[in-house]
Amino acid sequence: GAVVSQHPSRVICKSGTSVKIECRSLDFQATTMFWYRQFPKQSLMLMATSNEGSKATYEQGVEKDKFLINHASLTLSTLTVTSAHPEDSSFYICSASPAVGAGEQYFGPGTRLTVT
Amino acid sequence: KQEVTQIPAALSVPEGENLVLNCSFTDSAIYNLQWFRQDPGKGLTSLLLIQSSQREQTSGRLNASLDKSSGRSTLYIAASQPGDSATYLCAVRQGGATNKLIFGTGTLLAVQP
Repeated sequence: GAVVSQHPSRVICKSGTSVKIECRSLDFQATTMFWYRQFPKQSLMLMATSNEGSKATYEQGVEKDKFLINHASLTLSTLTVTSAHPEDSSFYICSASPAVGAGEQYFGPGTRLTVT
Repeated sequence: KQEVTQIPAALSVPEGENLVLNCSFTDSAIYNLQWFRQDPGKGLTSLLLIQSSQREQTSGRLNASLDKSSGRSTLYIAASQPGDSATYLCAVRQGGATNKLIFGTGTLLAVQP
């Protein structure tokens, strides 16, 4: 149980284009979803937290107009990187929690984004 | 602001050795602490979760301890195997209503056959 999927697993896009990454909870309802990014050989940095039906809460330094997060249902959240640039190339990982409070997070397998 | 540090950054050991990975955090007001494993290019696998009221948790060859007052946790791996090679991350969850995880810098472990 508690499986989270991400799609796509890898994506290459050209600079200036937008790319959407999906995060799905397959066997539970995810009240809260989280988006992280991880640069090579670095740790995970939280980008934003989203609760179903509400606007996402972004961490300091994360541009909300660049990284659009939608959590329209209890099983799906999407991250859209708009006007992508090479410096946005990174490993993006989502996690999902069935609780709003301090419930456990279940992590997706990650999406490798390369912007050329 | 909570900061989580892991030492060493990288570790190479021969197969069969017992080893200890260290995690330290600056703010002791945590809800719990979790150890994860990450294989190259993959997501995270949860290994052990220690609540703030607990001192240690064990799962198979893994044992994690927590000393909240001193801001430290250790992950002990017994009889290491090449399949244990991965990056190990610790993460703390702050107290209160937040569900945020703050990750450490990671330890890259290589177990040589």
